[in-house]
Amino acid sequence: SQQGEEDPQALSIQEGENATMNCSYKTSINNLQWYRQNSGRGLVHLILIRSNEREKHSGRLRVTLDTSKKSSSLLITASRAADTASYFCATDAERGSTLGRLYFGRGTQLTVWP
Amino acid sequence: GAGVSQSPRYKVAKRGQDVALRCDPISGHVSLFWYQQALGQGPEFLTYFQNEAQLDKSGLPSDRFFAERPEGSVSTLKIQRTQQEDSAVYLCASSLDRGPSQPQHFGDGTRLSIL
Repeated sequence: SQQGEEDPQALSIQEGENATMNCSYKTSINNLQWYRQNSGRGLVHLILIRSNEREKHSGRLRVTLDTSKKSSSLLITASRAADTASYFCATDAERGSTLGRLYFGRGTQLTVWP
Repeated sequence: GAGVSQSPRYKVAKRGQDVALRCDPISGHVSLFWYQQALGQGPEFLTYFQNEAQLDKSGLPSDRFFAERPEGSVSTLKIQRTQQEDSAVYLCASSLDRGPSQPQHFGDGTRLSIL
């Protein structure tokens, strides 16, 4: 079963625009991670935010976490055509699960048009 | 190598055949995970190794699936008597330690097609 759910399922924007993807999850977590997957490739880790953090930045990426709403958002600023990929949020489970085991959502397919 | 390596990249097998998928994790990484990714879906956990010990195999869909990591480095996922529903991408990931805040490093996967 999948813990996280991303929204929207698909997002299409022009280069230079910002892209916002949301993730909701169900159980308490230690941390939440965002991954990116290009077509036919493996997942690449983007950023990790711990349950006691509310916001984190890495380059053009900004992640927020609201544990009271069990939700997170990923903002990509000034998007580029090379950002075209699927983006997944992944959570662990605070209790009762293998340490480090990740639960993924179905992902958001981002298309950035030049 | 610098990253996680999986082989083969593509595997086509007839229903009923056995297949073996290989994963070479990043050197020194303690934790190794196998995931199954269906088309248009996110990865689903299959099994977890800490060094050579298989600590969690709760995600394996049936007893036709078997994984091993005998020397704590390379891992093999074996599927016996393959069925069409086994068609998916099988991803391997490794992480340095087993803590909850470790990013996982993924290979490019093996795309398995069962005819």
